[in-house]
Amino acid sequence: AAGVIQSPRHLIKEKRETATLKCYPIPRHDTVYWYQQGPGQDPQFLISFYEKMQSDKGSIPDRFSAQQFSDYHSELNMSSLELGDSALYFCASSLGRAGLSSYNEQFFGPGTRLTVL
Amino acid sequence: AQKVTQAQTEISVVEKEDVTLDCVYETRDTTYYLFWYKQPPSGELVFLIRRNSFDEQNEISGRYSWNFQKSTSSFNFTITASQVVDSAVYFCAGSGGGADGLTFGKGTHLIIQP
Repeated sequence: AAGVIQSPRHLIKEKRETATLKCYPIPRHDTVYWYQQGPGQDPQFLISFYEKMQSDKGSIPDRFSAQQFSDYHSELNMSSLELGDSALYFCASSLGRAGLSSYNEQFFGPGTRLTVL
Repeated sequence: AQKVTQAQTEISVVEKEDVTLDCVYETRDTTYYLFWYKQPPSGELVFLIRRNSFDEQNEISGRYSWNFQKSTSSFNFTITASQVVDSAVYFCAGSGGGADGLTFGKGTHLIIQP
């Protein structure tokens, strides 16, 4: 079965540079989520999109922005990179914004490992 | 706001032992959703199970079983006859639903020794 695709898988940047991470959700999934996982930490929710509109916002720094495109893929743009941005960035996707009677689980991509030097 | 507590930082057992991972979820929402994810050393996050707050049925899937008790806000996960391949970090997570992000616990590092 098709899974969430993230690119690149590894990225090395210098401080103050910019980075763009891409996420391609599972086919037919219309909701995308971004998470940041620092070394030895739990994943922290950054932001989500449903039908190309921002849906929920977590602890996303102002230096970061994201969007979802018409084909449902999403990009996370990170500017003025800091050493502390070094982390594993996960994208997840789910099918639809379900109602109260159900909730669709999020399936995670393999992650992009960002190293800021 | 939700809070997920996994009190066990690390558990080490010998292969074939049963092991239970604890999770406590706190929220003011009357409807919420709970999940368990597995993160093996390779780093990916693997979905294991979802439970709705209004469904207290316990579930068994092979060697895995889950016990959800709304009265104590606990959503515990048991592996029966553990195997070395079960070694991983296990995360409990919760959400209010919709397109809300997940709130993860700190994770329990499970080590299964041969």
